Amino acid sequence: DAKTTQPPSMDCAEGRAANLPCNHSTISGNEYVYWYRQIHSQGPQYIIHGLKNNETNEMASLIITEDRKSSTLILPHATLRDTAVYYCIVSFNKLVFGAGTILRVKS
Amino acid sequence: DTEVTQTPKHLVMGMTNKKSLKCEQHMGHRAMYWYKQKAKKPPELMFVYSYEKLSINESVPSRFSPECPNSSLLNLHLHALQPEDSALYLCASSQGDFIGMNTEAFFGQGTRLTVV
Repeated sequence: DAKTTQPPSMDCAEGRAANLPCNHSTISGNEYVYWYRQIHSQGPQYIIHGLKNNETNEMASLIITEDRKSSTLILPHATLRDTAVYYCIVSFNKLVFGAGTILRVKS
Repeated sequence: DTEVTQTPKHLVMGMTNKKSLKCEQHMGHRAMYWYKQKAKKPPELMFVYSYEKLSINESVPSRFSPECPNSSLLNLHLHALQPEDSALYLCASSQGDFIGMNTEAFFGQGTRLTVV
């Protein structure tokens, strides 16, 4: 599975867009990019995933660069409840979690 | 129903005890997973079951024994654990085969295990 690199932590003002980057320069052609988040003491929660194209759902948008070597998760209007650890995972099969990014949304 | 239910929520066991963790889903998912998560660390994959067969064992010690009695149920049998095995144990499931998975995995809220 490809390795991912994420910043250890980020801050975001409430109501503003949160843009979380992920570098996956060794991604293979059949590997998907997944984003999960984990709010303190809860199980991880699926956010979004994609292969090549940008994706959007009710929670977030996923922007994947054309060379697929990096991606950005966008939470359009962050709220305090979005404070969590965000994991970017690149995989063809099993989900292997890296260290993730701690996102702190502040009022 | 999009829930993965884990029981018990909390478990304290002695090093000589035998206990089991249970995970249940009724979404028709055919892949199920066990993860272990230590404090302030990411979840670590332990086992993957696909169509009720063990597909991946991430070199987990034999004191952890998984079992998949049917497509809705996943157990983790615990025996002779050590204090360092204290952690949050998470179960997850996903639709279809996990190979080439193009779908989301649903996680339970976990069982917080303390070994004394």
